[in-house]
Amino acid sequence: NAGVTQTPKFRVLKTGQSMTLLCAQDMNHEYMYWYRQDPGMGLRLIHYSVGEGTTAKGEVPDGYNVSRLKKQNFLLGLESAAPSQTSVYFCASSKGRFNNEQFFGPGTRLTVL
Amino acid sequence: AQKITQTQPGMFVQEKEAVTLDCTYDTSDQSYGLFWYKQPSSGEMIFLIYQGSYDEQNATEGRYSLNFQKARKSANLVISASQLGDSAMYFCAMRDPVGDDKIIFGKGTRLHILP
Repeated sequence: NAGVTQTPKFRVLKTGQSMTLLCAQDMNHEYMYWYRQDPGMGLRLIHYSVGEGTTAKGEVPDGYNVSRLKKQNFLLGLESAAPSQTSVYFCASSKGRFNNEQFFGPGTRLTVL
Repeated sequence: AQKITQTQPGMFVQEKEAVTLDCTYDTSDQSYGLFWYKQPSSGEMIFLIYQGSYDEQNATEGRYSLNFQKARKSANLVISASQLGDSAMYFCAMRDPVGDDKIIFGKGTRLHILP
């Protein structure tokens, strides 16, 4: 079991460029999440999904879009990157409601110049 | 709206001493879950311990225990006999399973264990 994987691990973008971050999990989890982590801010929820084909907004959804076409994958898109989106992005998954633990990916460090 | 507060941005503790990391939360729901995660300098998020709002006993996992005081809405993490490897960021988080099932995190506490 690979658990939760994220690609890429690092990326540098120029302002206005677009990119997609891929999160994959092999644990058959229903729920998946995207967070960003900034110094002094903890982890803030961007978007999440409670099942294949569903998505919902978190605390800081602006500037991001997501898709969950397959249960095992959760994609995070930046259509027009801005320097304010420089951050470390974490994907997580969990079994579902009333389950205790989130499993996190290793993170993607994104820099927008 | 739900909220998680960790009031200690940083702490220094002597090795082998016990340490308490504070966490208070705010929710209007009766059913919720509380978590603690550890993030070492390598960056990965490590799950430590979970407490359900209806659990009658405080959760324990090895050297970690959660001091759950529901009326005060606090869920402090206690690490007994601290070790150098405990130096890390620690995040408190809350899950609301009745609502939209989001999980929100506090801003974290950086713990430094001194030799």
